Amino acid sequence: GAGVSQSPSNKVTEKGKDVELRCDPISGHTALYWYRQSLGQGLEFLIYFQGNSAPDKSGLPSDRFSAERTGGSVSTLTIQRTQQEDSAVYLCASSFWSGGTGELFFGEGSRLTVL
Amino acid sequence: QQPVQSPQAVILREGEDAVINCSSSKALYSVHWYRQKHGEAPVFLMILLKGGEQKGHDKISASFNEKKQQSSLYLTASQLSYSGTYFCGTGQSNSGNTPLVFGKGTRLSVIA
Repeated sequence: GAGVSQSPSNKVTEKGKDVELRCDPISGHTALYWYRQSLGQGLEFLIYFQGNSAPDKSGLPSDRFSAERTGGSVSTLTIQRTQQEDSAVYLCASSFWSGGTGELFFGEGSRLTVL
Repeated sequence: QQPVQSPQAVILREGEDAVINCSSSKALYSVHWYRQKHGEAPVFLMILLKGGEQKGHDKISASFNEKKQQSSLYLTASQLSYSGTYFCGTGQSNSGNTPLVFGKGTRLSVIA
């Protein structure tokens, strides 16, 4: 497809389980962002990739959160030992330009519910 | 580092104007504006870069005051379709090493 693709669109898991969320950016986009949006809240920055490297991981809430990007394309956000407060919509966005100098294209998000 | 948006929420009647403000405590290189409708992904409206000009299309425009580290989004003659949450995102440099960080959003409701 032409847009940013995220999977799964919905994920329900039990507290303590690990989850993986996937993002396929638009082909050729070097910058990739992960944000978290809790119900009715803003866009909380998690991590930013420039190519395969992550210059800024400052937004990751705890060491249970990690992310990687391979081949300058697909990215995976992993949450270990999920907690109820992790429930949110996780949004991925990509951009051709780095450092926030170009338009971000957002995926539809992965809605995570931790029971 | 997160920019501050004001107001948090605003209700307009069709045809009225609104201004949404975004301010940062850090020097800025870029300011983005996005609109998110309920249950949908945020959609790009415009970007303003340091040293650039004021942007606008149709009845939506924005300004960027680099010295004050502020940006404002202007919505004129509002339409029902303008309803949604507006986010400003700020970038501190064009080096490729800094991310885009968003404010908490301004919820705009346009009623008939």
